[in-house]
Amino acid sequence: DADVTQTPRNRITKTGKRIMLECSQTKGHDRMYWYRQDPGLGLRLIYYSFDVKDINKGEISDGYSVSRQAQAKFSLSLESAIPNQTALYFCATSGRELQEQYFGPGTRLTVT
Amino acid sequence: RKEVEQDPGPFNVPEGATVAFNCTYSNSASQSFFWYRQDCRKEPKLLMSVYSSGNEDGRFTAQLNRASQYISLLIRDSKLSDSATYLCVVNKAGTYKYIFGTGTRLKVLA
Repeated sequence: DADVTQTPRNRITKTGKRIMLECSQTKGHDRMYWYRQDPGLGLRLIYYSFDVKDINKGEISDGYSVSRQAQAKFSLSLESAIPNQTALYFCATSGRELQEQYFGPGTRLTVT
Repeated sequence: RKEVEQDPGPFNVPEGATVAFNCTYSNSASQSFFWYRQDCRKEPKLLMSVYSSGNEDGRFTAQLNRASQYISLLIRDSKLSDSATYLCVVNKAGTYKYIFGTGTRLKVLA
């Protein structure tokens, strides 16, 4: 079984709709992250969390919100989706001491 | 100047060839360095961490040059399955920040 899972894997939604992307991990890591990837651009950080009570904005947090429901779960919400939020979204985790990140399989989101 | 820069490629090489990629970073305080592999529309997967002394894992060798602020990845005896995009990632110790390069695309040709 995958250590980091994301649901849904693909989603098409309309402008103005609220959508939630979910991430779960079984790695026992404290740190979790949400990134988006657009063609020709590197992964960009949306939000990150170092533990359940710690939530921080990344470089492109506008239009997004997150919730850390438990150590193993970190969800990303788009309150009112817009077309330029069409992208590939990745969740990642890392341990407290180790620096490597481990990624989920991604959610391909299309906003029409 | 971008914080992490990579040649986008593509690097087209025949099977069995040796190929090397470089990645330059701008922040001399950077402490941790990684190479990830990403297949089309898939998640990045850790290929190897890059240590100050350099490290090797089978056909893959990574090196760090702090003086010139770059890391390198060498792939020997290229396989068709090595075709992918290779991402350079730099982390500043003690911070959340992982800075991703846009990747170098490798195509290994039969």
